[in-house]
Amino acid sequence: DTGVSQDPRHKITKRGQNVTFRCDPISEHNRLYWYRQTLGQGPEFLTYFQNEAQLEKSRLLSDRFSAERPKGSFSTLEIQRTEQGDSAMYLCASSDDIWAYEQYFGPGTRLTVT
Amino acid sequence: RKEVEQDPGPFNVPEGATVAFNCTYSNSASQSFFWYRQDCRKEPKLLMSVYSSGNEDGRFTAQLNRASQYISLLIRDSKLSDSATYLCVVNKNDMRFGAGTRLTVKP
Repeated sequence: DTGVSQDPRHKITKRGQNVTFRCDPISEHNRLYWYRQTLGQGPEFLTYFQNEAQLEKSRLLSDRFSAERPKGSFSTLEIQRTEQGDSAMYLCASSDDIWAYEQYFGPGTRLTVT
Repeated sequence: RKEVEQDPGPFNVPEGATVAFNCTYSNSASQSFFWYRQDCRKEPKLLMSVYSSGNEDGRFTAQLNRASQYISLLIRDSKLSDSATYLCVVNKNDMRFGAGTRLTVKP
């Protein structure tokens, strides 16, 4: 299966700790997206990369959040000084340039901040 | 007002029923429109794009009304496997998802 993969699938952390999530997109996709989803809501856009360039960031992405895609392949999303409100499912998606809106999602990383 | 609003649901229908979902969006500059499907505890998956002329894929029909800024999804002859949450998605510079409408198809 060469779909989008995310690691870890689950993360429990204490408030104030830093966490980092990884996303491996479909190999031929040069666009990569991060979303956050809470119970009963649709995914909320966080940020978007085209190759290694971070082209767009949501206002939801506070200073405690940072995302990278250093070689244009996998991406990491780091949350510093986690808060209980950060508890959510963090979804990664990828797409190619031609069918940019057909995004393939990974299984997500469920973060619980205690 | 949310950028993308959907019927709150849940919709509980018998097999074979026809069910319709509506979605409204606030940004008139939105360019592209989609329906995604999300099964319980799974990731969203693209169901179909929505075109101004309307489009059909088997039992599913999607329509767009730009003047009224709404999108619809019609499912005919519902199957048990159609049970899921249906997410309306609107794109301008980024993808904006609605909160989803939950559908349960019962035998």
